[in-house]
Order: sequence, then structure tokens, then C-alpha cells
Amino acid sequence: AQRVTQPEKLLSVFKGAPVELKCNYSYSGSPELFWYVQYSRQRLQLLLRHISRESIKGFTADLNKGETSFHLKKPFAQEEDSAMYYCALSAGGTSYGKLTFGQGTILTVHP
Amino acid sequence: DARVTQTPRHKVTEMGQEVTMRCQPILGHNTVFWYRQTMMQGLELLAYFRNRAPLDDSGMPKDRFSAEMPDATLATLKIQPSEPRDSAVYFCASGFMNPPRGNTGELFFGEGSRLTVL
Repeated sequence: AQRVTQPEKLLSVFKGAPVELKCNYSYSGSPELFWYVQYSRQRLQLLLRHISRESIKGFTADLNKGETSFHLKKPFAQEEDSAMYYCALSAGGTSYGKLTFGQGTILTVHP
Repeated sequence: DARVTQTPRHKVTEMGQEVTMRCQPILGHNTVFWYRQTMMQGLELLAYFRNRAPLDDSGMPKDRFSAEMPDATLATLKIQPSEPRDSAVYFCASGFMNPPRGNTGELFFGEGSRLTVL
């Protein structure tokens, strides 16, 4: 079975401060990990995926297989980063493409 | 600009009534998901289809929920009878996934159907 855990439902930081949204996963195979974001009044959309190893809007996330984590980080938060963030895991094998999401973290960046 | 379309956007109904939610996936996408969003559980996977065939509906209460894809342009999620605990936002998402070698494609989400069962 695959499981994604985001331990923080709410996270508040001030503009310019570093931010880290935690994500831990449980999966016996080789996972693909993603971060999706939902801004106010917008659709849920892909933010980044671990295979791309790219920085989107200043956010990065590194897959740590030893700690089974995929934390999302940004060194200097901006007010426009305020949104709901979901970590997601895609299975392989017979469950190929089954995308499981965590509970989500609401990030609020204060001015 | 291709988008996933969901109807209705909002639905208020009384306990015991049948509710049907519809989704038009993006043309060319071969995988369709239904999720339920609640504050407590986040995004729960209810069911998903590939090439219209159901692959996994283990997240769905079988006694009252059913999901189908009568054709490639329509996915439906039905609740009968509905209960107050079904109140949530239901999302449909579609993507193109090409097992076994391809990476998981990006999922494109609809705007959701907000269901309130009184």
C-alpha cells in the first residue's frame, strides 16, 4: 500500500523567511513524487516533480529515499506563495499511475 | 486551452437523494481520476480509469458510490443514496500515462463539484 503524510495542516511564515513543507511517504517500490498547489480560486496544478530536479517559483524538493521524505523548500517566501500544497506519490507495477495525495498543508505568508 | 470540465459546480441535496457528478476529461488523455477533498482527509482517491477501464475503486464506499466511463469523453460518479457525510468537494482529473516505461504524466484537475447533503 502507498501512503503520503503531510504532518502540518497549517504553516505560517513571514515574507522573506525560509519555508519548508514536510512530506513523508510509505511505498515498497520505486516512487515518483510530486508537489501540487492550489492557489485561491484556481485549479489544483502541478508545481514540481522529483524526476525533473528543477526549481519552480523558487521551490525545490529533494527525494530522500533513506528518510522516505520529499520536503518542499523555498529560501525566501513571498506573499503569493500562500496556497494549499499537496504532496503526491505515483505507484509503479500493477498500480502504475495510481496517484495518492497527502492531507495537504495550507501555507500562509504574512507581509 | 484544453481543460477538464466538471458539472455541477455546486449541488445541495437532501439525504437519501441520488447525486450524479459528471466529468469531461481532456481529449487524448487516457487516465481519469476521481478524488474527494475534505479538511480532515485531504484528497482521497475514490477511483481511477485507464482507457475507460476501471483500475482501482478501493477508496470508494461500494454500497453507495459508483463510477463509470460510458465513453472517452465522459466520466460519472454517482452516489445513491447520499448521506450528510458525503458533503465534500469532488474533483475529477485526467492525464496521459504510458506504462510501463513512461513516467507518470501531469494530472490536470477540474474545478470540482461542491456537494452539500442536508
